[in-house]
Amino acid sequence: DIQMTQSPSTLSASVGDRVTITCRASQIISSWLAWYQQKPGKAPNLLIYKASSLESGVPSRFSGSGSGTEFTLTISSLQPDDFGTYYCQQYKSYSTFGGGTKVEIK
Amino acid sequence: QLQLQESGPGLVKPSETLSLTCTVSGGSISSNSCYWGWFRQPPAKGLEWIASIYYSGSTYYNPALQSRVTISVDTSKNQFSLKLSSVTAADTAVYYCARALGGGWFPGDSWGQGTLVTVSS
Repeated sequence: DIQMTQSPSTLSASVGDRVTITCRASQIISSWLAWYQQKPGKAPNLLIYKASSLESGVPSRFSGSGSGTEFTLTISSLQPDDFGTYYCQQYKSYSTFGGGTKVEIK
Repeated sequence: QLQLQESGPGLVKPSETLSLTCTVSGGSISSNSCYWGWFRQPPAKGLEWIASIYYSGSTYYNPALQSRVTISVDTSKNQFSLKLSSVTAADTAVYYCARALGGGWFPGDSWGQGTLVTVSS
């Protein structure tokens, strides 16, 4: 099965900072990658699909890039509401998630 | 607006079968290209895809859980269901149902609020 590794596991940043989260797949998944944001006690919220396509209603400060085995989620200017845990998900072969990146606002 | 709502027992005994139902409202479970799936998240841990189904009855299972999982759909009630047999404490988790567009294990774009299932005697 395909393993997904996220880094860092936690990060603390200030409002207005540019934030980057990385996800690596154990084998080539083309662009079959999604990103979610999850807040405590809530269901995940889809941000990005097909590696770089922005889900409807998601602010444009979120962007995704990459293909093959290396992927990046970028928040161009961190906002107070962006706290939470971010997960990547591959859907090339079945579906597996990364371990998550917890984003804290300084 | 599409809404999904999980229902089922919050407490299941070890070795028994966990049964959950997801009721879909605001849209038809028989819509083309809509797949319906179950995910779970153990306390303070990450997400895991369990299984998905298309309204026609095509099913998709996580290989790691396939031997214990059954997913089914009832189009007349706009519901789909999950059964997980021989549960242990490791199956304690928040269980989510979700819609995926385009494929059996594609990303979930609309989710239920989740229901906590605890496995304990």
